[in-house]
Amino acid sequence: GQNIDQPTEMTATEGAIVQINCTYQTSGFNGLFWYQQHAGEAPTFLSYNVLDGLEEKGRFSSFLSRSKGYSYLLLKELQMKDSASYLCAVNNAGNMLTFGGGTRLMVKP
Amino acid sequence: EPEVTQTPSHQVTQMGQEVILRCVPISNHLYFYWYRQILGQKVEFLVSFYNNEISEKSEIFDDQFSVERPDGSNFTLKIRSTKLEDSAMYFCASKGDPSQPQHFGDGTRLSIL
Repeated sequence: GQNIDQPTEMTATEGAIVQINCTYQTSGFNGLFWYQQHAGEAPTFLSYNVLDGLEEKGRFSSFLSRSKGYSYLLLKELQMKDSASYLCAVNNAGNMLTFGGGTRLMVKP
Repeated sequence: EPEVTQTPSHQVTQMGQEVILRCVPISNHLYFYWYRQILGQKVEFLVSFYNNEISEKSEIFDDQFSVERPDGSNFTLKIRSTKLEDSAMYFCASKGDPSQPQHFGDGTRLSIL
C-alpha cells in the first residue's frame, strides 16, 4: 500500500527557518516531490529528490533518505507569503503522484 | 512561462448530469494527469494518459469517468451521471518527460447540487 505522513500544522516566525518532515512507504519509488499550495489554488512545484542527499533552490532545500523512507523540506528566511500548505508527494514507478495530507504552515510576524 | 490551463474555473451541475472538464496541457508535454481534491482533504490521483491511452488509473476512476484527447491540444475528463460526492476541485497536470515535475493547472471547482 501507499502511506505518506507529514505533520498537519506548523507555526513559525517571520525570518526564521522551518523544517517540514515527510515519511513514506510506497510500492515503487521514482522520486519525491514537494509542492506549495495556497488555499483554493493549484499545487506549485518547489523541489524534488530522486537520489539521497540535499537539493538546494534559493530559500528552499529538500533532503531525501531512501533507505529511511524520509524527506524534509527546509524553508529559510521565512516570509509572510510562505504561509501555505506544503505537500509531500511520491512519484511511483508508473509516474503517478501519491500525495500526503499536507502540512499547513502559518508564518507569524 | 508556459501554463496548464483549465476551463471552466467553476462548474455547477445537477446530480445525475454529465460534465466535461477541459484542460490544455503545456504544448510540448507528453504525459497528462487528472487529480481531484475534495475540500479539506488531500490531492488524489485519478488517471494518467500517455501516447493516446490511459497508462494508470486509481480505484476512484471507475466506469463513471473517462478521458479523451480529442485533438492535439485538449485533454478532457468526462464524468457521467454525477453524484454529490463528486463535488471537488479537479486538477489537470502535465509533464514533458518522466524525470520532470508535473505542472498543475488552476483547477476546476465542481459543485454537484
